[in-house]
Amino acid sequence: DIQMTQSPSSLSASVGDRVTITCRASQSISSYLNWYQQKPGKAPKLLIYAASSLQSGVPSRFSGSGSGTDFTLTISSLQPEDFATYYCQQSYSTLKTFGQGTKLEIK
Amino acid sequence: EVQLVESGGGLVQPGGSLRLSCAASGFTFSSYEMNWVRQAPGKGLEWVSYISSSGSTIYYADSVKGRFTISRDNAKNSLYLQMNSLRAEDTAVYYCARGYYYDSSGRYFDYWGQGTLVTVSS
Repeated sequence: DIQMTQSPSSLSASVGDRVTITCRASQSISSYLNWYQQKPGKAPKLLIYAASSLQSGVPSRFSGSGSGTDFTLTISSLQPEDFATYYCQQSYSTLKTFGQGTKLEIK
Repeated sequence: EVQLVESGGGLVQPGGSLRLSCAASGFTFSSYEMNWVRQAPGKGLEWVSYISSSGSTIYYADSVKGRFTISRDNAKNSLYLQMNSLRAEDTAVYYCARGYYYDSSGRYFDYWGQGTLVTVSS
C-alpha cells in the first residue's frame, strides 16, 4: 500500500499569513494527488485535484504543486474560514489512501 | 443539486452486523464510481471501499477485507455497505463519496454525504 505522510500535523497561523502544508508519498504517484479541507462536524470538501488543479468554486488563494513523491498545499493569505483540517489523498493505486491530516489553528 | 444521504448507522455489539445505505440524487448515479470513507472519533479519514459505476469492479481497504461488502443498485440510485464481524475499531462516521475520474488513475471525491455514525460497543 502507498503511505501518505503529511507535515506538520498541526500548525498555528494568523489571518493573512502564507501557509504551506507538505504531503509525501511512500512511492511515486505521478501527479495523482488530491487535497481536501474538513471543518468540525462536516464532510470533507475537495480543494485541489491532480496535484495542482483548483476545484471549481475554490478560492484562488489555495494552490497545489508537486509530482512524484513530494507535494505541497499553499494558502497565500489565510482567511478566518480557512482554519480547518487538511488531508492529502493519492489516487495512483486502487487503495486510495489519505494522509493523517494537518490541523490549521488560529494563532 | 447533487445529494448523498447516508443512513443505517447505530449501536451494534462486537461481532454484529450492520448495513449502511447511501441514497443519491441530482445526478446520473449509474454513471459514477462510488466510495465509502470512514473517520473514527477524533481521527483522520480512512478510505474503506470502492465500486465502479456498473458494480463490476470492487476494492477494499485491508482493514475491512473479508468483513465488509460494498454494493449498489443503480435502479434505486443507492449505494450500500454490508458490515459483518464488526469490531470496536470499526467505530466511526461513515461517509459515502462520489468518485470522478479524469484518466486511468486520476480520481477524486467531489461530493460527500453528511455521514452516519456506527458505534461498535457492548
